[in-house]
Amino acid sequence: DQQVKQNSPSLSVQEGRISILNCDYTNSMFDYFLWYKKYPAEGPTFLISISSIKDKNEDGRFTVFLNKSAKHLSLHIVPSQPGDSAVYFCAAPSWAGGTSYGKLTFGQGTILTVHP
Amino acid sequence: DAGITQSPRHKVTETGTPVTLRCHQTENHRYMYWYRQDPGHGLRLIHYSYGVKDTDKGEVSDGYSVSRSKTEDFLLTLESATSSQTSVYFCAISDLGLAYEQYFGPGTRLTVT
Repeated sequence: DQQVKQNSPSLSVQEGRISILNCDYTNSMFDYFLWYKKYPAEGPTFLISISSIKDKNEDGRFTVFLNKSAKHLSLHIVPSQPGDSAVYFCAAPSWAGGTSYGKLTFGQGTILTVHP
Repeated sequence: DAGITQSPRHKVTETGTPVTLRCHQTENHRYMYWYRQDPGHGLRLIHYSYGVKDTDKGEVSDGYSVSRSKTEDFLLTLESATSSQTSVYFCAISDLGLAYEQYFGPGTRLTVT
């Protein structure tokens, strides 16, 4: 049961344009969402997060939007740069028995390629 | 960068042999996790620990065991390696900050032949 889904395996954009990465979820109990970025041969690194009480969170070129009614979130990168080329994962804390222990459920990832 | 190391970084082993991967942290974080990354599946949780000697199963725990005898070390053991366990393994740590952030190690690429 894939509770967090990224349905686009890859995305290609031109440098300077906007990149929009999408993520859908099925569990309405998720109260936080995170985006991670991963370069080849490295571990994922935290990028940005959003609480379910907000609908937008911005950090420099990165903005995450949350649409709770649609169970959908998106990551916008403006302007896109070649160094943004990486795999992007969305994730949400998974809860059981009243505690999460910080466990995260990840989407499948989207490979972003930004062309110069 | 969070102080997390994984060893070995690369390993090739034969089917049926036991394998142990080590995760070491210098951040004194309480929570530690083992994930595997496979194409089309993203990152999937194998086991996690919420304290010394306190561990529990994740979503893909079959064929794996873990141990945590010290805060800084979390070991993942493949009791009898199979080809389906060929993957990249990541360790992560967390202090359950506000955003549930986890900090990941550099990964171990394991190939089971």
